[in-house]
Amino acid sequence: QITLKESGPALVKPTQTLTLTCTFSGFSLRTRGVAVGWIRQPPGKALEWLAVIHWNDDKRYSPSLQSRLTISQGTTNNQVVLTMTNMDPVDTATYYCGNRPGYYDNYFESWGQGTLVTVSS
Amino acid sequence: QSALTQPASVSGSPGQSITISCTGSSSDVGTYNSVSWFLQHPGKAPKLIIFDVSNRPSGISNRFSGSKSGNTASLTISGLQAEDEADYYCMSHTTRSTFVFGTGTTVSVL
Repeated sequence: QITLKESGPALVKPTQTLTLTCTFSGFSLRTRGVAVGWIRQPPGKALEWLAVIHWNDDKRYSPSLQSRLTISQGTTNNQVVLTMTNMDPVDTATYYCGNRPGYYDNYFESWGQGTLVTVSS
Repeated sequence: QSALTQPASVSGSPGQSITISCTGSSSDVGTYNSVSWFLQHPGKAPKLIIFDVSNRPSGISNRFSGSKSGNTASLTISGLQAEDEADYYCMSHTTRSTFVFGTGTTVSVL
């Protein structure tokens, strides 16, 4: 059974850097083709794809947010970390992580429950 | 990359069929058969219901079906049920090896 869970601060101040962790089980990021992605959703608005990291450490970012995002593997084999710099109130959103199951699978099969991040002074 | 275009809302009566469109470009929907659809109930995480244009994950009702023509993908829900009331999002892989979501569609069951 695949599970993912997002964790991080519920509140950050404008200009601060946000660090979120996705902790997963049921699959390995060392398996060829596997990837973990981050997606966010501002309250009442649409989903927005942010970043993805692949089994071979290849990383891709949303073109509009690329300068502010960094995705990396965590300190343990079952974690992926996303950092977003220079946070602004418009970045208030629920942040999700999801898994891409295989090499030819360009979709996110399972998702975490999401974590709400509010940006406010 | 611009968000894929979906109608803001679609409605239907119980038992009817509805179709949600998802229009992109030759940089995403038009190039790959990598369009997926997600269902999201209020306060819940999105759930995958269609992948690779027309494939259903295990456990997803066959009332959900997908197709694609050119730069537009479509999701059809047949035999509409009250539980189908939710937000629906399409997503596509892109030529830059990134992903892009649709603008989202709220489905109402009258």
